[in-house]
Amino acid sequence: AQRVTQPEKLLSVFKGAPVELKCNYSYSGSPELFWYVQYSRQRLQLLLRHISRESIKGFTADLNKGETSFHLKKPFAQEEDSAMYYCALANTGGFKTIFGAGTRLFVKA
Amino acid sequence: DGGITQSPKYLFRKEGQNVTLSCEQNLNHDAMYWYRQDPGQGLRLIYYSQIVNDFQKGDIAEGYSVSREKKESFPLTVTSAQKNPTAFYLCASSPAREPNEQYFGPGTRLTVT
Repeated sequence: AQRVTQPEKLLSVFKGAPVELKCNYSYSGSPELFWYVQYSRQRLQLLLRHISRESIKGFTADLNKGETSFHLKKPFAQEEDSAMYYCALANTGGFKTIFGAGTRLFVKA
Repeated sequence: DGGITQSPKYLFRKEGQNVTLSCEQNLNHDAMYWYRQDPGQGLRLIYYSQIVNDFQKGDIAEGYSVSREKKESFPLTVTSAQKNPTAFYLCASSPAREPNEQYFGPGTRLTVT
């Protein structure tokens, strides 16, 4: 079954601390992996995708096919990173995206 | 102001009534999507449309219907056959060549009593 699992509903860290939001997936083909973010009172938006291999707002995510994981990391969390984060996968070029349940990140001052 | 609009923000209906949620985009995107979001769950795909006059069922299409008569519009009807219609509904759109770069609307919270 195709599934995205985000094991943490809530993650709380102090400002300046490293943060890692976990994402594991099960998929039979070659998926594309994404992270979406929703800041308070804003719309859900794409944060980054694994094929871009880029860092957005200091966040990076590496696709580990052996562990079927796509964890989101940032070395030094900022208060403005507080948001809801969703991991998602889709088949390459496909229109059906599967979302995880989301992790709420709270960065404390 | 470009983007996706959904109306209304809040919608209340009595059980047994059909209700239609609006989604409009002026991004010139070919593809549009409807998701449902329930507490503690991720977004689940209801229907999607790759192009005008064409749409496909998502993972939870039962009890819902859509139409795509115009590129800009993708209304979702929640029918009385939908057993648990109370939820938060999100509409999205994307370029057809980049289906995974989805732009989301603000959502409509539907409450059925």
